[in-house]
Amino acid sequence: GENVEQHPSTLSVQEGDSAVIKCTYSDSASNYFPWYKQELGKRPQLIIDIRSNVGEKKDQRIAVTLNKTAKHFSLHITETQPEDSAVYFCADKHGMNYGGATNKLIFGTGTLLAVQP
Amino acid sequence: EAGVTQFPSHSVIEKGQTVTLRCDPISGHDNLYWYRRVMGKEIKFLLHFVKESKQDESGMPNNRFLAERTGGTYSTLKVQPAELEDSGVYFCASSDQGAAGANVLTFGAGSRLTVL
Repeated sequence: GENVEQHPSTLSVQEGDSAVIKCTYSDSASNYFPWYKQELGKRPQLIIDIRSNVGEKKDQRIAVTLNKTAKHFSLHITETQPEDSAVYFCADKHGMNYGGATNKLIFGTGTLLAVQP
Repeated sequence: EAGVTQFPSHSVIEKGQTVTLRCDPISGHDNLYWYRRVMGKEIKFLLHFVKESKQDESGMPNNRFLAERTGGTYSTLKVQPAELEDSGVYFCASSDQGAAGANVLTFGAGSRLTVL
């Protein structure tokens, strides 16, 4: 069935250290993997995404890697700052056929990242 | 550009009462989604509208939940009668048409529902 497992559920790091959040998906047809960041009391916002034809994508201090064989994808944040503290959600989506299949995202359970100054 | 707007931001009701949540998507976005997060769990899909049509309602928990999107603009999600397990944060999201645009969901701030 449709399922995304996300680990860890909580992560505490010192400012300047790196943080890694890992997700595993179950459906081999999944081909789009976004990451959302939700700060306290605010809306989830897309921070980075990757498609299944790419193994890695970087945007400044954040990067996402995808291993299709193992059905794993990970978020890497380097040089963490206090403003990185938030709940991070991974997700996957099945199919790119806008006209037919649903475009729903399946989310993980979230990781609460705390960056200690 | 205005984002996705949800109302109310917080609703406290008693078991058995009715609540209606409203979502105004980004203007021009054909795709509108409802999601729910129960504390500590995943953001769970409820349903997906394309314009005024329900594309996928496989995530709706039961027939106490009714979603509408008359005219293909704003959407409402009504819970009647509400039960304790309906408590959570209800998120609305919208996305543009087309294969690439449809991927990028813009979320609202959510409507927190507390059923006592």
